[in-house]
Amino acid sequence: AQRVTQPEKLLSVFKGAPVELKCNYSYSGSPELFWYVQYSRQRLQLLLRHISRESIKGFTADLNKGETSFHLKKPFAQEEDSAMYYCALRGTSGSRLTFGEGTQLTVNP
Amino acid sequence: NAGVMQNPRHLVRRRGQEARLRCSPMKGHSHVYWYRQLPEEGLKFMVYLQKENIIDESGMPKERFSAEFPKEGPSILRIQQVVRGDSAAYFCASSPLLQENTGELFFGEGSRLTVL
Repeated sequence: AQRVTQPEKLLSVFKGAPVELKCNYSYSGSPELFWYVQYSRQRLQLLLRHISRESIKGFTADLNKGETSFHLKKPFAQEEDSAMYYCALRGTSGSRLTFGEGTQLTVNP
Repeated sequence: NAGVMQNPRHLVRRRGQEARLRCSPMKGHSHVYWYRQLPEEGLKFMVYLQKENIIDESGMPKERFSAEFPKEGPSILRIQQVVRGDSAAYFCASSPLLQENTGELFFGEGSRLTVL
């Protein structure tokens, strides 16, 4: 079974402050991890995937297999980062994505 | 490319009626996924289809729910004899062929079902 846990439903920070959105997963094999984002009135879209090891809009996420975590981080939050963020896991190539419950991030001015 | 198109965007049904939700994947995509989002909850996987084939329906309720993706036309999620608990947002997503599949899903805007 595969499971994704995002312990924080709501997260509020001030502009310029660091932000970390937590994601833990449960899967017996080697998963692929993703972060998806939904801005207000927009579709859910891919933010980044762990395989790419990329930084998108200043966000990074490192897969920690020992802690089974894939936390999303940004050193200096911006107001336009306010959105709903979902962590997702794919167990094997071609299979479904399992999403976490999501974290609503609000960046205050 | 218009992206994943879902219709209707909003659907109101009375208890006992049928709901049909449609999803046209992005051009060139052969895989369709349906997810349900209940109020105050996250996205729950329902079913994953290729054209004329159900790949994984492990998230589908055993009764009243069915999905298809015919050779021609959109994918359809059908809910028979709806109950109030079916009220939710239903999201469709698509992805390309397996060998081109990076794991990225392209989502529609969702269909919001309200059962009175």
